[in-house]
Amino acid sequence: GAVVSQHPSRVICKSGTSVKIECRSLDFQATTMFWYRQFPKQSLMLMATSNEGSKATYEQGVEKDKFLINHASLTLSTLTVTSAHPEDSSFYICSARDQRGWRQGDHEQYFGPGTRLTVT
Amino acid sequence: DQQVKQNSPSLSVQEGRISILNCDYTNSMFDYFLWYKKYPAEGPTFLISISSIKDKNEDGRFTVFLNKSAKHLSLHIVPSQPGDSAVYFCAATFYNQGGKLIFGQGTELSVKP
Repeated sequence: GAVVSQHPSRVICKSGTSVKIECRSLDFQATTMFWYRQFPKQSLMLMATSNEGSKATYEQGVEKDKFLINHASLTLSTLTVTSAHPEDSSFYICSARDQRGWRQGDHEQYFGPGTRLTVT
Repeated sequence: DQQVKQNSPSLSVQEGRISILNCDYTNSMFDYFLWYKKYPAEGPTFLISISSIKDKNEDGRFTVFLNKSAKHLSLHIVPSQPGDSAVYFCAATFYNQGGKLIFGQGTELSVKP
């Protein structure tokens, strides 16, 4: 159980275009999902918290108009990188928290496999 | 401001021996800590966690120790196996802030046969 998928796993796009990344919890409901970004040899940096049915909460320094997040259902959150530039090239990872587990005091988050974005 | 720090970027251990990965934090309000294992181009996999009200949690070959006074936690892997070779991240969170995880920089563990 507790499987999180991401699609696509790898995408190459041209500068100025937009890219959408999907994050799905496959066997549990997630009222909250998180989006992270990882640069090579560095830590995972939280970009935003995605809440089902409400606006995402962005971390300081993350442009909400550039990284659009939609959490339309209890199993799907999407991250859209708008007008992508080469500096947006990175590894994007989502995670989801099991709604039932959280109420039981389980703090685990389950991570997707990540999406490698390359902007040329 | 790096609230969670893993000061050793890499660690090399012989198969069968103990691996000890360390993590320090600065915020005494953290109330839950987690360890994740990560392979290149993959998402992190949860390993083990510990609440701030405990000082030890054990799961098979993995044991996490928490020293709140020193704001330090460590992950012990005994015995180490070549398949344990990966990057290990420690993370901390606040229960009442929606579960945001704050990660350390990671330590790359290499277990040699």
